[in-house]
Amino acid sequence: DIVMTQTPLSLSVTPGQPASISCKSSQSLLHSDGKTYLYWYLQKPGQSPQLLIYEVSSRFSGVPDRFRGSGSGTDFTLKISRVEAEDVGVYYCMQGIQLQGTFGQGTRLEIK
Amino acid sequence: EVQLLESGGGLVQPGGSLRLSCAASKFTFSSYAMSWVRQAPGKGLEWVSGISGSGGNTYYADSVKGRFTISRDNSKNTLYLQMSSLRAEDTAIYYCAKDRSRKCFDYWGQGILVTVSS
Repeated sequence: DIVMTQTPLSLSVTPGQPASISCKSSQSLLHSDGKTYLYWYLQKPGQSPQLLIYEVSSRFSGVPDRFRGSGSGTDFTLKISRVEAEDVGVYYCMQGIQLQGTFGQGTRLEIK
Repeated sequence: EVQLLESGGGLVQPGGSLRLSCAASKFTFSSYAMSWVRQAPGKGLEWVSGISGSGGNTYYADSVKGRFTISRDNSKNTLYLQMSSLRAEDTAIYYCAKDRSRKCFDYWGQGILVTVSS
């Protein structure tokens, strides 16, 4: 199975400041079809997870453009350009290249 | 908007069985793979099982293989998870999720709690 490792596991950010989360996979997520199957999800307190980013860098419908995904192969990053109060929650990366999907441990974002 | 509504959760004794259902609406159910994802209390997300749109292909996490069975009834727009030989470590909120492509889950249900305890 592919292991997904996120860092940091928690971060505290002042509103208006940037935030960055790293996700590393134990194997390349680049498929032979040319796509890289790396996703980012956010689980806000008391809610179901929601899709933020798919295929490394594509924002899902309705996701603000302050969220930006980047990376390739085994190293990926989610950046929030200016954190807002509504961004609080746990962020998960996930790989979809294998039949058995795996999530990272999650990164908890709180507001200072 | 897409709706996914789980049901069938509850308290069950270790070694027991339970069947979860997920009623889907507002999209062409048979055209999409579906998955179950769970979250133990205070823990992260764990993908549990997936099924193709036709139901012909199924996939399981090693932690549930041989104990859980995923299925679907496309005539009823419903996804199922039959859970047997349940263990305390299966205690979790179980979410059903619509798979737009390769485990990219664009819509999630509200989740249903399963508690395995004597």
